[in-house]
Amino acid sequence: DAEITQSPRHKITETGRQVTLACHQTWNHNNMFWYRQDLGHGLRLIHYSYGVQDTNKGEVSDGYSVSRSNTEDLPLTLESAASSQTSVYFCASSEQVSVGKLFFGSGTQLSVL
Amino acid sequence: EDQVTQSPEALRLQEGESSSLNCSYTVSGLRGLFWYRQDPGKGPEFLFTLYSAGEEKEKERLKATLTKKESFLHITAPKPEDSATYLCAVQASSGGSNYKLTFGKGTLLTVNP
Repeated sequence: DAEITQSPRHKITETGRQVTLACHQTWNHNNMFWYRQDLGHGLRLIHYSYGVQDTNKGEVSDGYSVSRSNTEDLPLTLESAASSQTSVYFCASSEQVSVGKLFFGSGTQLSVL
Repeated sequence: EDQVTQSPEALRLQEGESSSLNCSYTVSGLRGLFWYRQDPGKGPEFLFTLYSAGEEKEKERLKATLTKKESFLHITAPKPEDSATYLCAVQASSGGSNYKLTFGKGTLLTVNP
């Protein structure tokens, strides 16, 4: 069965370190997204991609970057981790014609100490 | 700015006690409204898409309806396995990008046996 996997599931890091969260999907979807979920907030979009070599900023993109070198993967990099980036991060993908029907991974719990 | 407000924040029901969750939205032209279910420690799972006022969708004990200002998720004779957080999201039809979903903060539903 097709799926979307995130790794690691849990990560603890220190302020100022660079961190990369992995996302891999086997749906063959062109669209991929990174969200963060925090108490008191809904899911907020960090970055998204409509295909290989395409990346775009979402509403909370400061301090994050992504790259898309193939269809399957969209890694999320925190350039210099800050305590405000402690959160649960979700990767998602969707078909081109139904952007709002998202398939989510199980999430990465990131703690920045 | 697009806004989504879900109510109540939390709802506790007895098994078999039907009820409804509300999703009020403000959007500059609605492309679609989406319902998701999220279990603890997991990513959201897609339930329904609604496109226009008057539309209804059903799946097992769940029925979603849409008006011009809000959507309801009706739960008929719920079971304990329906316990989860239910998320609502809207996608605007205006603007240059068709990616953006605005999520509500969710309703935490607990069904007691």
